Amino acid sequence: QVQLVQSGAEVKKPGASVKVSCTASGYTFTTYGISWVRQAPGQGLEWMGWISPYNGNKNYAQKLQGRVTMTTDTSTSTAYMELRSLRSDDTAVYYCATLHTSGPFEYFQNWGQGTLVTVSS
Amino acid sequence: DIQMTQSPSSLSASVGDRVTITCRASQSITSYLNWYQQKPGKAPNLLIYAASSLQSGVPSRFSGSGSGPDFTLTISSLQPEDFATYYCQQSYSTPWTFGQGTKVEIK
Repeated sequence: QVQLVQSGAEVKKPGASVKVSCTASGYTFTTYGISWVRQAPGQGLEWMGWISPYNGNKNYAQKLQGRVTMTTDTSTSTAYMELRSLRSDDTAVYYCATLHTSGPFEYFQNWGQGTLVTVSS
Repeated sequence: DIQMTQSPSSLSASVGDRVTITCRASQSITSYLNWYQQKPGKAPNLLIYAASSLQSGVPSRFSGSGSGPDFTLTISSLQPEDFATYYCQQSYSTPWTFGQGTKVEIK
C-alpha cells in the first residue's frame, strides 16, 4: 500500500531555513506528483506547490515564490520541501501528498503523517 | 485566486442524522472539486473527487454533488466516526485552494 513517511518535528529561529523530507513506498515514485500542503495551528489547509518526480516540473504558490524549493530524489523515492527566511507565521504542520489524476481531475490521494515546524525566537 | 467558501463553519448533529455541507467557489470551477475529512491530529483523507466520484474505500453514506460554483457534500446517516472537519478544495486552477472547513460535532 502507498505510504508517505515524513521527517520529524523541527524548531527554527526566525530567518532560518527548514527542509522537510517525505519518503514514499508502495508504488513507483515517478508515477504521481507530490504536493505540499500546510496547516497553521487551529487553521485550515494551504496548498504550497507540487513537483513531478518524473520530469521535475514544479508549480509553487505565488505567495511562497522565492522562499520555497521542492525537489525529489528518485534513487531514494524521497521528496523534499525547503522553506527559507522563516517567519513566525510559517509555524504549521507540513504535509506531503500524492497528486493523482482521473482524466482532467487532480486530487490529493495519499498523505504523509505531517511534520510540525515551529518558528520561534 | 479562486476563493472557496463553506457553510456552515460548524454544525451539531446526532448519530443517524442526514448532514449537508455546502461549498461555493468565487467563479465557475465546473466539476474540479474535491472533499476531504480531517480528524484531530491526523492528515486529511480524500472522500470525493471530481465533485461526485467516491474515493475507493469510502463508505457509500458519503456523496457529493454540484457543478459550476456550487457544491454539496452529504452524509446520509451520520456515524460516530464521521465527527470531524470537512474541507472542499478546487483543482480548477493553481493556486489550488481550500474552503475554511466545516466542523461536524456531536449534538
